[in-house]
Amino acid sequence: QKEVEQNSGPLSVPEGAIASLNCTYSDRVSQSFFWYRQYSGKSPELIMSIYSNGDKEDGRFTAQLNKASQYVSLLIRDSQPSDSATYLCAVETGGFKTIFGAGTRLFVKA
Amino acid sequence: KAGVTQTPRYLIKTRGQQVTLSCSPISGHRSVSWYQQTPGQGLQFLFEYFSETQRNKGNFPGRFSGRQFSNSRSEMNVSTLELGDSALYLCASSDPSGGSTDTQYFGPGTRLTVL
Repeated sequence: QKEVEQNSGPLSVPEGAIASLNCTYSDRVSQSFFWYRQYSGKSPELIMSIYSNGDKEDGRFTAQLNKASQYVSLLIRDSQPSDSATYLCAVETGGFKTIFGAGTRLFVKA
Repeated sequence: KAGVTQTPRYLIKTRGQQVTLSCSPISGHRSVSWYQQTPGQGLQFLFEYFSETQRNKGNFPGRFSGRQFSNSRSEMNVSTLELGDSALYLCASSDPSGGSTDTQYFGPGTRLTVL
């Protein structure tokens, strides 16, 4: 079992729709969770971090964390073509080590 | 503040050679992590350094090594290069608090091609 799992996609949504990205992790002691966006040929950039159960909203982005289910999600409202990228879920497992999922490719159709 | 810088941006080497990659973190950041990114494996953790000490290491062979200097700049070295080492090598810096690695800021990466 991979430590951080994501559906590789591609996930295709129409412009203006909600994109829902999901991630599960295996290490129950993980405390810090991140979503990064990576455009083709570029390096990852942080979108959201979340540390406690529940929802965290930042503009069009909402991160959701459920530690009991070991589940993290990212919702993108009013999706734009510029949101088309690979989204990486990252989990700090403790011991100064961050594990990344393989990423979900998102396509937003204009 | 200037971002994370990595040099060189591109490298072409042949099998058996060795290579050294450099990373300068954001000013004030003392944690530096290295990752290997390939299309098949995604982002794989190599190692993390803080105050010149390696605090964790990923599942890579001993050919992969690194170090950090007193100014927080870091280098990683790959010896006896293999074709499978062709990848994008990413460095990320962070300003950890409370013992965590926290938010990481990535450099542009070094694209290594092994022929």
